[in-house]
Amino acid sequence: AQSVSQHNHHVILSEAASLELGCNYSYGGTVNLFWYVQYPGQHLQLLLKYFSGDPLVKGIKGFEAEFIKSKFSFNLRKPSVQWSDTAEYFCAGHTGYKLTFGKGTLLTVNP
Amino acid sequence: SAVISQKPSRDICQRGTSLTIQCQVDSQVTMMFWYRQQPGQSLTLIATANQGSEATYESGFVIDKFPISRPNLTFSTLTVSNMSPEDSSIYLCSVDRTGIVYNEQFFGPGTRLTVL
Repeated sequence: AQSVSQHNHHVILSEAASLELGCNYSYGGTVNLFWYVQYPGQHLQLLLKYFSGDPLVKGIKGFEAEFIKSKFSFNLRKPSVQWSDTAEYFCAGHTGYKLTFGKGTLLTVNP
Repeated sequence: SAVISQKPSRDICQRGTSLTIQCQVDSQVTMMFWYRQQPGQSLTLIATANQGSEATYESGFVIDKFPISRPNLTFSTLTVSNMSPEDSSIYLCSVDRTGIVYNEQFFGPGTRLTVL
């Protein structure tokens, strides 16, 4: 069965620090991968997605993620975080049947 | 993208009662989904609701507990029946507007349910 795991439950950073949130998936076939973000009091919204092609994908607000097939990973990165990036981040994978979410990582950015 | 609204945004209910949550989309969509997000947990798919057919439930979820209606292409309801405190959760609807296999989903704001 497909599963998605996120390594970090809560990450605390200072502004301007670099960010990398880990995400691993377990599925042997083709999988579409997503990162969603939920800012405090707001809807869950799509940050970026990978379907095929260039494994380095860029999303909104300066975020990017790299799909590494050999490692079954899809880590989210941002070179310099801002206080406004404080949110919960969810990695998700879709195999053509359903979307499976990781448990989420709460990111707190201190000014 | 799609604009999705849910009603109510939150509610506090008594054990044993039922609550119906509404999901409205600003345009016609084929596939609508209902998720549950329990405190400190990730999103779990409850069921897929397609217009004109019975909802498809995931393992651990049954129609008697979570009946779903999908009367047209812009609207769906989820009822949480005979509630217990374990049903306290955020319930979200989402839609897939791509119409292709990539399944990019857009989410509503959620309904925060507390069962006493």
